Amino acid sequence: KQEVTQIPAALSVPEGENLVLNCSFTDSAIYNLQWFRQDPGKGLTSLLLIQSSQREQTSGRLNASLDKSSGRSTLYIAASQPGDSATYLCAAPNQAGTALIFGKGTTLSVSS
Amino acid sequence: SAVISQKPSRDICQRGTSLTIQCQVDSQVTMMFWYRQQPGQSLTLIATANQGSEATYESGFVIDKFPISRPNLTFSTLTVSNMSPEDSSIYLCSVRQGEYEQYFGPGTRLTVT
Repeated sequence: KQEVTQIPAALSVPEGENLVLNCSFTDSAIYNLQWFRQDPGKGLTSLLLIQSSQREQTSGRLNASLDKSSGRSTLYIAASQPGDSATYLCAAPNQAGTALIFGKGTTLSVSS
Repeated sequence: SAVISQKPSRDICQRGTSLTIQCQVDSQVTMMFWYRQQPGQSLTLIATANQGSEATYESGFVIDKFPISRPNLTFSTLTVSNMSPEDSSIYLCSVRQGEYEQYFGPGTRLTVT
C-alpha cells in the first residue's frame, strides 16, 4: 500500500531564500507524482506533474525532481516570495493507479 | 485543465441531518473522485465515482454514510448522511483528465454542530 511522507512539516524562511521540500513514497512502481499547493481554507492547485520517465519538471521558479529508485521527490522553490506562503502537498498514485495518496504537506511561511 | 465547481462552498449543519454536495466539471471526464480533508490533516480518498455504476469506496467509508451519484460524465454528488461533529471537514471533488493529471474543485467546508 502506497504511503507518502513529507518533511519538514513546517518551514519558515525570509524572502529571497531558495528552499527544498521533500517527499518520499513507499511504492516505487509509480508512473507519476504530482505536487499541489493549498492556500488556507481553499482547494488544491496543481503545480507540477512529473512522469516516471522524467527526472525533472520546471515551472517558473519551481523545479520538481523524481527519483523512483530511492522513492523520493523534491520541490525546489527559487527566490521565495511572501506569496509562496501556503501548504505544499505531494501525491502519488494509489495501487490501482487511479486516485492519489497524499502526504501531510509542508506548510511554508515566507516573511518579507 | 478542467474547471471544477462545487456547491455549496460552505455550510453549517446540525447533527443528524444530511448534506448533498454537488460537483460540476466543464468537460467530460471518465474518473471523478471525492476526498475528505479533516481539520489539520491531509486529503483522504472517500470513493471513486463511476458513471453508470456504483461508486467504489475506500476502506473506512461506506455507501450508507456517503452515498454518491454520477448521472453523467460532467456531474457528481456526494451526500454526507446522519452527520456528526466528526464529519466536519473540507470535501473536495477531483477529476483525472487525460492519462495522468488530477485537478481539484475549490472544496466544500462543512461544519457540523
